[in-house]
Amino acid sequence: NAGVTQTPKFQVLKTGQSMTLQCAQDMNHNSMYWYRQDPGMGLRLIYYSASEGTTDKGEVPNGYNVSRLNKREFSLRLESAAPSQTSVYFCASSGGLAHTGELFFGEGSRLTVL
Amino acid sequence: GENVEQHPSTLSVQEGDSAVIKCTYSDSASNYFPWYKQELGKRPQLIIDIRSNVGEKKDQRIAVTLNKTAKHFSLHITETQPEDSAVYFCAASIPDNAGNMLTFGGGTRLMVKP
Repeated sequence: NAGVTQTPKFQVLKTGQSMTLQCAQDMNHNSMYWYRQDPGMGLRLIYYSASEGTTDKGEVPNGYNVSRLNKREFSLRLESAAPSQTSVYFCASSGGLAHTGELFFGEGSRLTVL
Repeated sequence: GENVEQHPSTLSVQEGDSAVIKCTYSDSASNYFPWYKQELGKRPQLIIDIRSNVGEKKDQRIAVTLNKTAKHFSLHITETQPEDSAVYFCAASIPDNAGNMLTFGGGTRLMVKP
């Protein structure tokens, strides 16, 4: 099993450009999340999806949109990138038949906005 | 919402010594407290967790304690080894539809000197 896979791993954008981060999980998890990680600030929740067909804002949703395409896939879109969105983005999933509360993270996507 | 404070932000210990990382949380409804370890350039991974009906939990060299009254919990690593060097994140969760809406602390960079 691949677990949680996210693409791309690295991306450089210019201010105002748009892009989509893709995430897919193969663990039959119900819940999926997008976090951003900045130095000294831990992991902050951008958006989450408790189940297929639902999405909700997290702690820092401004400037982002998400789509829960199906149970496996959850994408994060930056419509007009800003330098403040330079960060490492992690997708995660949890749940399933043996829900333990554990989050399973992807490898991360490092985004730089110039 | 929940707020999680983590201290210290950096910790340097000699190999074989113990390390303690402390976290406080604000919302008394939080009932799940995991700890994640993130090695350099890697994804965060769960190392231990505790639920609010338990005061202490051990797993080999690591242990977590929880004081619900004071709203703080701690990670203890004994007999530290160089491979324990990483960033450690505490988190707290309030139960909701997503199963575990985690709020993370800012992280502690642990350095174990050989």
